[in-house]
Parts: sequence; structure tokens; C-alpha cells
Amino acid sequence: DIQMTQSPSSVSASVGDRVTITCRASRNVNNWLAWYQQKPGKAPNLLIYGASSLETGVPSRFSGSGSGTDFSLTISSLQPEDFAIYYCQQGHSFPFTLGPGTRVDIK
Amino acid sequence: QITLKESGPTLVKPTQTLTLTCTFSGFSLSTSGVAVGWFRQPPGKAPEWLALIFWDDDKQYSPSLRTRLTITKDTSKNQVVLTVTDMDPVDTATYYCTHRRGTSWYYFDYWGQGALVTVSS
Repeated sequence: DIQMTQSPSSVSASVGDRVTITCRASRNVNNWLAWYQQKPGKAPNLLIYGASSLETGVPSRFSGSGSGTDFSLTISSLQPEDFAIYYCQQGHSFPFTLGPGTRVDIK
Repeated sequence: QITLKESGPTLVKPTQTLTLTCTFSGFSLSTSGVAVGWFRQPPGKAPEWLALIFWDDDKQYSPSLRTRLTITKDTSKNQVVLTVTDMDPVDTATYYCTHRRGTSWYYFDYWGQGALVTVSS
């Protein structure tokens, strides 16, 4: 299985801050990488696919980059509704695996 | 508009078999390239992928749970069923049904609301 790791595990930030979360795969996944946002009591919501493609309806303050084993998700200007847990997921090979998540909290 | 909804028991006893039904709308599982998957998420943990069924009835399972999982589809009813045998308290989780984005990628763009299943005697 491909193992996914994320850092940091949590980050405290203020509205308007720029926040970057990183994700690393245990082996090359090319650009088969997605990012999801999950709020309490809700299902995950797809933000980014193909490492850098913005899902329809997702605000442009979200962006993704990377390829191979190292990826990042950036929120350019944190908004109140962005406080959530973020997960990366590799879609390169079965079984699909997700990272442990990064919690974005209010400072 | 695509929607999915999970249904099934909220409480099962250890060793019992869990049967969950995903009822969906807005797409057809007989359309080439379409796939429906299942994930689960234990309380406070990350989601875990379980299984995927394709329009042509091909199936993929998580290797760690393969012997306990079965995924089937009923195209006429727009339903996908997941069974998990020999349930254990560690299988307590919210189970999600999902729609695969596109026809050749493995990302999931629509999720059901989730069904919390507790395993306890």
C-alpha cells in the first residue's frame, strides 16, 4: 500500500492568513492526488484533484501543487468557513489511501 | 444533481454481518466509466477506502478487509450494497457511499451523508 503522511497535524491561524499543508506519498503517485475538506459531522468535500485542478465551485483561494511524492495545499487568505480538517488522498493505485489529516484551527 | 444516501442498521452485535445500502440518483451505474465506492471513518480518524464497483461489475476491495467485504449493484434500483461480515467493535465507524469523479480517475466528488454504525453487544 502507498502510505500518505501530512504535516503539520494541526495549525492555528487567523482569518486572512496564508496557510500551506503538505502531503507526502511513500512512493511516486505522479499527479494522482486529491485534497478534501471535512467539517464536523459532514462528509469530506473534494477541493482539488489531479494535484492542482480546482473542483467546480471551490473558491480560488484554494490551490494545489506538487507531483511524484510531495504535494501541498495552500489557502491564500483563510476565511472563517475554512476552519476544518484537510485530507490528501492518492488515486494512483489500489488501495486508495488517505493521509491522517491536518486540522486548521482558529488562533 | 447527484445524490447518494446510505441506509442500514445503526447498531450491530459482534460477529454479525453488516449490510448497508446506498441509494443514489442523478447518474446511472450502467453508464460506461461510472463507479461507486465505499469509505468508512472511525470516530476521530481519517476516512478509509473499502471497496469500489464499476459499471461493468468489476470490483475492487481493500486488501486488509477483502475477505470480509462484498459489494454488489442493482442497476434497476440505483442501489449499491456493501456487506461486511464478522463485525467487531473496531469496525465502529461512519460508512460513506461515494461517486467517482469522471470515468478514468480515482477521486470522489459526491458523498452520502454517512451512516454511523456502532458495534457493541
